[in-house]
Amino acid sequence: AQKVTQAQTEISVVEKEDVTLDCVYETRDTTYYLFWYKQPPSGELVFLIRRNSFDEQNEISGRYSWNFQKSTSSFNFTITASQVVDSAVYFCALSEALDDKIIFGKGTRLHILP
Amino acid sequence: GAGVSQSPRYKVAKRGQDVALRCDPISGHVSLFWYQQALGQGPEFLTYFQNEAQLDKSGLPSDRFFAERPEGSVSTLKIQRTQQEDSAVYLCASSLEGLYTEAFFGQGTRLTVV
Repeated sequence: AQKVTQAQTEISVVEKEDVTLDCVYETRDTTYYLFWYKQPPSGELVFLIRRNSFDEQNEISGRYSWNFQKSTSSFNFTITASQVVDSAVYFCALSEALDDKIIFGKGTRLHILP
Repeated sequence: GAGVSQSPRYKVAKRGQDVALRCDPISGHVSLFWYQQALGQGPEFLTYFQNEAQLDKSGLPSDRFFAERPEGSVSTLKIQRTQQEDSAVYLCASSLEGLYTEAFFGQGTRLTVV
């Protein structure tokens, strides 16, 4: 069965600090996709990244970086030099190949304090 | 339109009332998804359309929930005889083609059943 675990329910850091959001997933498929979404107070889910299971290269996009480790079934997300605008709920998610649903974790609420 | 549009943004319904939630996907997007997000939880899959065909409705919680997309564009999620446990944010997403392409989410409809 598919499952996504985000153990950190809530994190608070002071602006400019780096912060890592953890994500551990379970799947029996060898082909799957992993996602991160941001949900600001306005409510819409903002797509951040999609990674397929065959691409274990880490990715960096500006202040955001993702560390995909198949050996530990983890797909962690790091924000470098955090800013107040990064405050939101962040969801890690999983979709198995040939499936049409995304399974979301429960989210991590991130507070960036000025 | 520029993004996925959902209406109404907020809906208060008396228990037992029927409600209809509308989703206008991005023009040209073949795939449309409905998710339910309870307070403090991650979104949970309800149903998926490819054009007008409802390919997966495995997430609909009961036969009181019904979704349609008759012309392959606008979709309506209908909940009959609403109950308090139906209170949640209902999110709609669309993508060009399944989950191989990015899914864009709307801001959701917050349903409160009193």
